[in-house]
Amino acid sequence: QLQLQESGPGLVKPSETLSLTCTISGDSITSSLYFWVWIRQPPGKGLEWIGNLFYSGNTYYNSSFTSRVTISVDPSKTQFSLKLSSMTAADTALYFCARYRRLADYIDHWGQGTLVTVSS
Amino acid sequence: QSALTQPPSASGSPGQSVTISCTGTSSDVGGYDFVSWYQHHPGKAPKLIIYEVIKRPSGVPDRFSGSKSGNTASLTVSGLQFEDEADYYCMSYAGNNDLVFGGGTKVTVL
Repeated sequence: QLQLQESGPGLVKPSETLSLTCTISGDSITSSLYFWVWIRQPPGKGLEWIGNLFYSGNTYYNSSFTSRVTISVDPSKTQFSLKLSSMTAADTALYFCARYRRLADYIDHWGQGTLVTVSS
Repeated sequence: QSALTQPPSASGSPGQSVTISCTGTSSDVGGYDFVSWYQHHPGKAPKLIIYEVIKRPSGVPDRFSGSKSGNTASLTVSGLQFEDEADYYCMSYAGNNDLVFGGGTKVTVL
């Protein structure tokens, strides 16, 4: 059974870079059927897609984040990460990692999310 | 891309039906049959309930159904149960490997 678990700091200072990791168990990141995804939910707001990662390292980002986001695969192939620079209070959100079925375009597994607060 | 438009709330009594709309454009909802719906109980992982507009994953009750007309997709929950009280989000493929979500609809079972 696939499980995804987000980890990282719960508190980030303004202007700093957020680094989150998603640990995958029960599946291989190297499957060509899937993208691996980061999504966030600001308090009281809806979901927002951040970007997709293919195991080869190819990435696709929401244009709203392109200038300050990096999603990458760990060499162990059991984790992937999100880096978001120049954090502001508007980036306070619940951050989810997920698995996305390519060519059918749906998310079939989600992590429970990790809350990140941006504050000095 | 702009978020898909969902009503902020919907409600119904047990046993009734509720339908949630998800309106986009010809560049997303109207352009692809890749609309999916997710149920989210706060504090838990969101759950896929509909994909490819009308398909239900294994284990999802047939009380949940999806449809699409033009640029608007819809989720209908029939025979409402208290456990259906949750936030519901639509998502659409938007071309060029882009995804877009709706703003979410809070369903209350009265």
